[in-house]
Amino acid sequence: NAGVTQTPKFRVLKTGQSMTLLCAQDMNHEYMYWYRQDPGMGLRLIHYSVGEGTTAKGEVPDGYNVSRLKKQNFLLGLESAAPSQTSVYFCASSDSHLTDTQYFGPGTRLTVL
Amino acid sequence: AQSVAQPEDQVNVAEGNPLTVKCTYSVSGNPYLFWYVQYPNRGLQFLLKYITGDNLVKGSYGFEAEFNKSQTSFHLKKPSALVSDSALYFCAVRLYSSASKIIFGSGTRLSIRP
Repeated sequence: NAGVTQTPKFRVLKTGQSMTLLCAQDMNHEYMYWYRQDPGMGLRLIHYSVGEGTTAKGEVPDGYNVSRLKKQNFLLGLESAAPSQTSVYFCASSDSHLTDTQYFGPGTRLTVL
Repeated sequence: AQSVAQPEDQVNVAEGNPLTVKCTYSVSGNPYLFWYVQYPNRGLQFLLKYITGDNLVKGSYGFEAEFNKSQTSFHLKKPSALVSDSALYFCAVRLYSSASKIIFGSGTRLSIRP
């Protein structure tokens, strides 16, 4: 039982390049989330999904797109990376959005030059 | 506006002493409150949560937190600190009604000296 895994762990992009971050969970959770963590700002929700085939915007969705084609996977895409997207990205999953614990992946450190 | 505040960027405590990490919130409606811990280069790990019921909540690693509705606070406590408790701690609040309204505090770095 690996829990929540994220690939890649590190990535450096040039401004304007695109990339996709992959999140996978093996706990059969319905809900999945993408956050970004910036110094002194805690975690901010980018997008989330309440089930296979569904996605919704969080607090800071601009510049990102997501897809949930399979229940166990949640992809975060950057179509045209900007330096402001330099951050650490965390994926999380939970059984429900109301009361249950969120389980976090180890994070992806992204630098945009 | 909904918010969560962790007023201390850093808390320093000697090993064996009690510790408190403060959290206050401002939301409308009934909040669900959480504490998470983050060790270096790792994702967040769940410590404890308050949903309803007893105001004193016990969690992992000997931590506990007290929900105080009148003071809108949810402070994290431990009677006797360990060096291994040194980490970054996040308070979070979720509204009953919406998965998107998940608000994290800015984090408090806890440093326990031997």
